[in-house]
Amino acid sequence: DIQLTQSPSSVSASVGDTITLSCRASRNIATWLAWYQQKPGKAPKLLIYAASSLHSGVPARFSGGGSGTEFTLTINGLQPDDFASYFCQETNSFPLSFGGGTKVDI
Amino acid sequence: QVHMVESGGGVIHPGKSLRLSCAASGFAFSQFTMHWLRQTPDGRLQWVAVISPDGDDKFYVESVMGRFAISRDNSGQTLSLHMTSVRADDTATYYCARESDGASTDFDFWGQGVLVTVS
Repeated sequence: DIQLTQSPSSVSASVGDTITLSCRASRNIATWLAWYQQKPGKAPKLLIYAASSLHSGVPARFSGGGSGTEFTLTINGLQPDDFASYFCQETNSFPLSFGGGTKVDI
Repeated sequence: QVHMVESGGGVIHPGKSLRLSCAASGFAFSQFTMHWLRQTPDGRLQWVAVISPDGDDKFYVESVMGRFAISRDNSGQTLSLHMTSVRADDTATYYCARESDGASTDFDFWGQGVLVTVS
């Protein structure tokens, strides 16, 4: 099974900041990676698929990068609505796996 | 618009059975691969099971294999998860999710989730 390790586990930031979250895979997964945003009490929402493709309706301040084993999610100009938890997910092989998440708070 | 609503959760004793349902609307349910996922109390997300559009192909995470069964009723636009021999570590919020219409197995729509507590 593929293990995904996210770092940091939490980060404090301010509105307007640019932050980069990391996700490391235990083996090469090419670009088979997705990113989700989750707010308390709500289901996750898809942000990025195929490592760098923006899901429909997601603001352009979100961007994904990386391939192989190292991936990033960058938020350019944090907005109040962006304070949430973010998860990465491997999207190619069963059992599908998720990272442990990064919480972004004020 | 796409909408999915889970039901059937609650508190259940270890070793007992429970059936979760997911009512889908707003899209051609019969054309999409569907999944169950869960989120444990510590916040970790775990993929649980998948079923093909026609219901013929199913896969499970090892920890639920032989205990859980995923099924679907395309005419009723409903996804189900029959949970048997439940254990304390099955305690989680369970989500149904639609697999995106693309090459990768990501999830573009999720239900609101239903809590299952094994105690």
